[in-house]
Amino acid sequence: DQQVKQNSPSLSVQEGRISILNCDYTNSMFDYFLWYKKYPAEGPTFLISISSIKDKNEDGRFTVFLNKSAKHLSLHIVPSQPGDSAVYFCAAKAPGTASKLTFGTGTRLQVTL
Amino acid sequence: KAGVTQTPRYLIKTRGQQVTLSCSPISGHRSVSWYQQTPGQGLQFLFEYFSETQRNKGNFPGRFSGRQFSNSRSEMNVSTLELGDSALYLCASSRGGLAGYNEQFFGPGTRLTVL
Repeated sequence: DQQVKQNSPSLSVQEGRISILNCDYTNSMFDYFLWYKKYPAEGPTFLISISSIKDKNEDGRFTVFLNKSAKHLSLHIVPSQPGDSAVYFCAAKAPGTASKLTFGTGTRLQVTL
Repeated sequence: KAGVTQTPRYLIKTRGQQVTLSCSPISGHRSVSWYQQTPGQGLQFLFEYFSETQRNKGNFPGRFSGRQFSNSRSEMNVSTLELGDSALYLCASSRGGLAGYNEQFFGPGTRLTVL
């Protein structure tokens, strides 16, 4: 039962353009959503999070949007840079389980010159 | 401040053997979680330890076990290895509070290959 889904395994975007990564979830009890970035041979690194009581959170070039009615969140990267090329994981946690995250399968982003 | 370290980084075992992986969290972090990453499955939660006690558990068979020591270092053990256990095993540490969200810091992982 995949509670967090990333339906696009890969995405290619030109440098300077916007990258939009999508994530869907099924568990309406999730109270925090997070995005992690992973380079090869390294562990995932935290990028940005959003509480379920908000619909937008922004941090520099990264913005996460949450649509609770659609159970959908997205990560926007503007402008995209070659160093953003990595695998991006969407994750969610339920109340009272502060360290237990449910991850999606990841989207590989390739930013081309 | 030193990050999360995992040893060994690479491991090759044969079916039926057992394996122990180690994780040293960031200093001051009391929670250690373990995840399995396989192609097409993303990261799947194995278990979390906090103050030497298992606090959360994922849906893995009993062959997967773990423990945490008084210095917060953690080990996970897989017994009777199967080919499907080949994966990247990641550990993450955090302060461990239950309210809100605790940012988790991941180690580089241990790549386990079962032949």
